[in-house]
Amino acid sequence: NAGVTQTPKFQVLKTGQSMTLQCAQDMNHNSMYWYRQDPGMGLRLIYYSASEGTTDKGEVPNGYNVSRLNKREFSLRLESAAPSQTSVYFCASSGTGLFLDYEQYFGPGTRLTVT
Amino acid sequence: EDKVVQSPLSLVVHEGDTVTLNCSYEVTNFRSLLWYKQEKKAPTFLFMLTSSGIEKKSGRLSSILDKKELFSILNITATQTGDSAVYLCAVGVGGSQGNLIFGKGTKLSVKP
Repeated sequence: NAGVTQTPKFQVLKTGQSMTLQCAQDMNHNSMYWYRQDPGMGLRLIYYSASEGTTDKGEVPNGYNVSRLNKREFSLRLESAAPSQTSVYFCASSGTGLFLDYEQYFGPGTRLTVT
Repeated sequence: EDKVVQSPLSLVVHEGDTVTLNCSYEVTNFRSLLWYKQEKKAPTFLFMLTSSGIEKKSGRLSSILDKKELFSILNITATQTGDSAVYLCAVGVGGSQGNLIFGKGTKLSVKP
């Protein structure tokens, strides 16, 4: 039981390049989330998916797209990377139900640097 | 604007000390308050509190919520070096699925 897994662990991009961050969970959770964590800013929600086939914007969605491929997988795409997107990206998942969507379990993170 | 404020931002103690971490919040539609521990990598879930005055406890860690005064505390007794981490407080708010507002964290360092 791996929980939430993310690939890659590290990535360096040049400005304007694109890439996709992958996330998978094996906890049979309906909901999945993408966050970014920057020094002094705390964790901020980029996008979330309440269930397979649905996605919604979070606090900081600009410059990102997401795909909920199936119940297990939720990917985050940067179409044209910018230095402001240098950050640590976390994927999380949760169940659905009274308060269960707040109890989120996080993956190990992807450290992305854009030069 | 919803906000979650943690204090202190950092704290250095010695093994065996007891520490109290604080989290205050101002949000429009409070549903729950959560504590996470973040070492080098992923935040790991510690507690979720939804009702005032009911203490949640796990080993040497305990937490309580005061919904009237809008704050929570996380206590760690008999600290160990393995408790060194950033402790994150998050408030769950209504309006959209799993909407968590995170504080900036308290960095705890436990010296031997």
